[in-house]
Amino acid sequence: GAVVSQHPSRVICKSGTSVKIECRSLDFQATTMFWYRQFPKQSLMLMATSNEGSKATYEQGVEKDKFLINHASLTLSTLTVTSAHPEDSSFYICSARGHSSYNEQFFGPGTRLTVL
Amino acid sequence: GQQLNQSPQSMFIQEGEDVSMNCTSSSIFNTWLWYKQDPGEGPVLLIALYKAGELTSNGRLTAQFGITRKDSFLNISASIPSDVGIYFCAGQLRRAGGGADGLTFGKGTHLIIQP
Repeated sequence: GAVVSQHPSRVICKSGTSVKIECRSLDFQATTMFWYRQFPKQSLMLMATSNEGSKATYEQGVEKDKFLINHASLTLSTLTVTSAHPEDSSFYICSARGHSSYNEQFFGPGTRLTVL
Repeated sequence: GQQLNQSPQSMFIQEGEDVSMNCTSSSIFNTWLWYKQDPGEGPVLLIALYKAGELTSNGRLTAQFGITRKDSFLNISASIPSDVGIYFCAGQLRRAGGGADGLTFGKGTHLIIQP
């Protein structure tokens, strides 16, 4: 149980285009999903917290108009990178939190974004 | 903001050796977690610690949550080739009204096992 999937696993796009990344909790309902970004050989950095049915909360320094987050259901959150630029190239990882009192987060396999 | 200092940055060990890594924080966390990440994949939870002073084992892994809630260590006994990867500590705060914040990660410890 507690499986989180991401789609696509890899995406290459041209500079200026938008890319949508999906995060799904496959066997549990996720009231909260988190989006992280990881640059090569670095740690994961929290970008935003996504709660079902409400606006996402962004971390300091993360542009909400550039990284659009939609959490329309208890099993799906999407991250759209708008007008992507080469510096947005990174590994984007989502995690989902279920209803456990321990607030465990289960991570997806990540999406490798390369902007040319 | 909160920062986690994780050390060592990398370790080169022989198969069969024990491994020890640790994290310290400038702030208190409610929960401390240890993850392993393989290249190109998401992190996988190894051990979760919820109480100050808690010592928890998971097979060959042992982790402890410091009494001050500002530090933790992870030990791996009798390392094997599949232990290779990057290990991250992560701290989490719990909100007063329920729920939890996103995780703050350490910079990672890259474990390399020499044949």
